[in-house]
Amino acid sequence: NAGVTQTPKFRILKIGQSMTLQCTQDMNHNYMYWYRQDPGMGLKLIYYSVGAGITDKGEVPNGYNVSRSTTEDFPLRLELAAPSQTSVYFCASSFDRGLGNEQFFGPGTRLTVL
Amino acid sequence: KQEVTQIPAALSVPEGENLVLNCSFTDSAIYNLQWFRQDPGKGLTSLLLIQSSQREQTSGRLNASLDKSSGRSTLYIAASQPGDSATYLCAAGGGATNKLIFGTGTLLAVQP
Repeated sequence: NAGVTQTPKFRILKIGQSMTLQCTQDMNHNYMYWYRQDPGMGLKLIYYSVGAGITDKGEVPNGYNVSRSTTEDFPLRLELAAPSQTSVYFCASSFDRGLGNEQFFGPGTRLTVL
Repeated sequence: KQEVTQIPAALSVPEGENLVLNCSFTDSAIYNLQWFRQDPGKGLTSLLLIQSSQREQTSGRLNASLDKSSGRSTLYIAASQPGDSATYLCAAGGGATNKLIFGTGTLLAVQP
């Protein structure tokens, strides 16, 4: 299993540009998450999904959109990039919620908005 | 609202020393507590997950404990090695969707 994969690894955007961060998992996990990590900080939840066709906002959803058309894929869309969105973005997945559930993380996408 | 705090923010120890990293959380209604390792410029590697019904978990030189009543978890690293140098993050999982609330991490440097 490749686990959780993310593309691209790095990207530089100009203010106002748009882009989609891709996330794919091959573990047949129902739950998927997008987090952002600012320098020296912990991760904050942007959006999450509990299954295909179901998404919901996390702590910091403004400026982002997501979709979940398949179990495997959970892309994150930035519509009008702003410098405040400069961050490292991590996608994660887990099989289900519950006591023993474990989240697995992708390698991250490092985004700079200039 | 769940808040997770990690102390200290940074720690430097000589090789071979045993050490403890601390994690505290404000809401004891958690499903689990997960510890991660993050190397510079890299993603997160899951180290240990403790279910809310458990008191501790062990993996090799790592031992994590959980005390829900006091809102604390500790990660014990035995016989530290330079290769253990990294940032260690704890995260509290809870709610209907197992959302993780992260601490800001402890940056560990093990000096050879």
